[in-house]
Amino acid sequence: AQKITQTQPGMFVQEKEAVTLDCTYDTSDQSYGLFWYKQPSSGEMIFLIYQGSYDEQNATEGRYSLNFQKARKSANLVISASQLGDSAMYFCAMRQLHNDYKLSFGAGTTVTVRA
Amino acid sequence: DAGVIQSPRHEVTEMGQEVTLRCKPISGHDYLFWYRQTMMRGLELLIYFNNNVPIDDSGMPEDRFSAKMPNASFSTLKIQPSEPRDSAVYFCASSLLPDEQFFGPGTRLTVL
Repeated sequence: AQKITQTQPGMFVQEKEAVTLDCTYDTSDQSYGLFWYKQPSSGEMIFLIYQGSYDEQNATEGRYSLNFQKARKSANLVISASQLGDSAMYFCAMRQLHNDYKLSFGAGTTVTVRA
Repeated sequence: DAGVIQSPRHEVTEMGQEVTLRCKPISGHDYLFWYRQTMMRGLELLIYFNNNVPIDDSGMPEDRFSAKMPNASFSTLKIQPSEPRDSAVYFCASSLLPDEQFFGPGTRLTVL
């Protein structure tokens, strides 16, 4: 069974600073994908970034980057130059890459950006 | 291009009533997923379809829940009879490749 752990229920960050959201996972599979989603207060789920277990480079998408440490089974999300609009809940998710497209989600981390 | 469309956005019903949630995936996407989000349990996958065929319904909580996908552009999630503990936000998502899933805006269900 897959398990995703996000240990930070809530975080505050100053505008324009960077913030790191922790995510650890547990799987016996060798092929898997890791995802981060953002859920603002309006409720929609917004895809942010994806990392495959065999990708050698850390994924980046604009101000989002994923610090992937396979041996530690961690996939932390880094948001650089935080903006007020980054205030939201952030979910880490994982799925197997063979014959299984189910996403397993962590409990989420609430980020509040202060002006 | 339109994203995933869900209706209704909000539903309030009484215990025992039948509830039908609707989803229109992004055109061309061949995977469709139904999720439920609650404070207690977080985001849970209920069922997913590939090419209109249910692949895994192990997350469906009980027989009161059923889902169908009669064609590539429409899916329903039905709860009959509904109970207060079914109150949650129900998301539909679709994907083309086994990478990112695009989520709809969700349906907030309240069962009184």
